[in-house]
Amino acid sequence: EVQLVESGGGLVQPGGSLRLSCAASGLIFSRYWMTWVRQAPGKGLEWVANIKEDGSEKYYVDSVKGRFTISRDNAKNSLYLQVNSLRAEDTAIYYCASSRDGSGFDPWGQGTRVTVSS
Amino acid sequence: QSVLTQPPSASGTPGQRVTISCSGSSSNIGSNHVYWYWQLPGTAPKLLIYKTNQRPSGVPDRFSGSKSGTAASLAISALRSEDEADYYCATWDGSLSGWVFGGGTKLTVL
Repeated sequence: EVQLVESGGGLVQPGGSLRLSCAASGLIFSRYWMTWVRQAPGKGLEWVANIKEDGSEKYYVDSVKGRFTISRDNAKNSLYLQVNSLRAEDTAIYYCASSRDGSGFDPWGQGTRVTVSS
Repeated sequence: QSVLTQPPSASGTPGQRVTISCSGSSSNIGSNHVYWYWQLPGTAPKLLIYKTNQRPSGVPDRFSGSKSGTAASLAISALRSEDEADYYCATWDGSLSGWVFGGGTKLTVL
């Protein structure tokens, strides 16, 4: 069974930083695109970033460009999201998800909560 | 304001057929596959439909997806109480070089 487990969330002041992690198991991690999607309280889903199987391609939503960095370590079956210069509007649950061959984001992790507040 | 437009709510009674629309543009729905996800309160989203009209294993054939031009739709037949959830459409947007989601539709089973 494929399992994705996020960690690293927490309460941080505006301007602060966090490193979110996503540990994958039950899949050949290096064969999957990986994605971060977030959901602000009471709001819908927002794609944040994704990264190709070998890390050679990365894409970001405009609102996080220059502040967030997606990366992966295939040897550790892990995905990361370095989030810097955090703003109140970054407050959300951050989910990681895997995808392959255009078969959609599946599965998703349980999410890690990031709260940006002074 | 989401790039993809969904109605904020939909409803139906048990046994009915409901459809949820998702409107986009030539740079997203018009040129790429559409995906549908569903989410129960307090839980992570789950894949419902991929590549516009394909169902992952385990998803009942009561759920179907389609697309015409720059609009897509999700149809749920023989509605059941357990279908009550939030539904999101998503696709790749070539102009934005990123994935875009609809704002979500809250389905209520009356």
